[in-house]
Amino acid sequence: NAGVTQTPKFQVLKTGQSMTLQCAQDMNHEYMSWYRQDPGMGLRLIHYSVGAGITDQGEVPNGYNVSRSTTEDFPLRLLSAAPSQTSVYFCASSRTGVNSPLHFGNGTRLTVT
Amino acid sequence: GQQVMQIPQYQHVQEGEDFTTYCNSSTTLSNIQWYKQRPGGHPVFLIQLVKSGEVKKQKRLTFQFGEAKKNSSLHITATQTTDVGTYFCAGNAGNNRKLIWGLGTSLAVNP
Repeated sequence: NAGVTQTPKFQVLKTGQSMTLQCAQDMNHEYMSWYRQDPGMGLRLIHYSVGAGITDQGEVPNGYNVSRSTTEDFPLRLLSAAPSQTSVYFCASSRTGVNSPLHFGNGTRLTVT
Repeated sequence: GQQVMQIPQYQHVQEGEDFTTYCNSSTTLSNIQWYKQRPGGHPVFLIQLVKSGEVKKQKRLTFQFGEAKKNSSLHITATQTTDVGTYFCAGNAGNNRKLIWGLGTSLAVNP
């Protein structure tokens, strides 16, 4: 019973590099989302998806891309990493939307130098 | 824009003392959720409140949703060291797509 799985757990990038944070869930949840968490800023929504093939922007989408080709996977792409993207990233899913409880992954701690 | 204010930002208590965190929304909410995040961990869902004036209990935790559905509180009776962490409220303004998150209350408990 894996729940929401995020990889990698830690990553260090140089400015300008690109990478993909992986998120997979095995609960057949329709809704998936990406958050970043910074000290004193709480949880900020980056992108979300209400189902396969559907994505939309959250509060802080700039510099990030997402796609949802399957129900299970929701990868987050950093196109050209910047030090301002140093953060802890959480993927979260729920059965139907935010009226259902969110299940969070363990997070990815990203440092951009 | 829509906001949820959460107070206090930090709370330091002696084990056995009570603790309360409050959330106030700038807009009427269809429901509100509470999450707990242990240090170094990820947010974990605690409860969802939907009805005006609703009160729910989970052992030593009591959750309330205001009559106007714009405020909520979490009260912990007789705190224990296992209660340490950050407690977040998150409200749904009705679109079922985005939650409005409070900034969290960090609770420290002295044994």
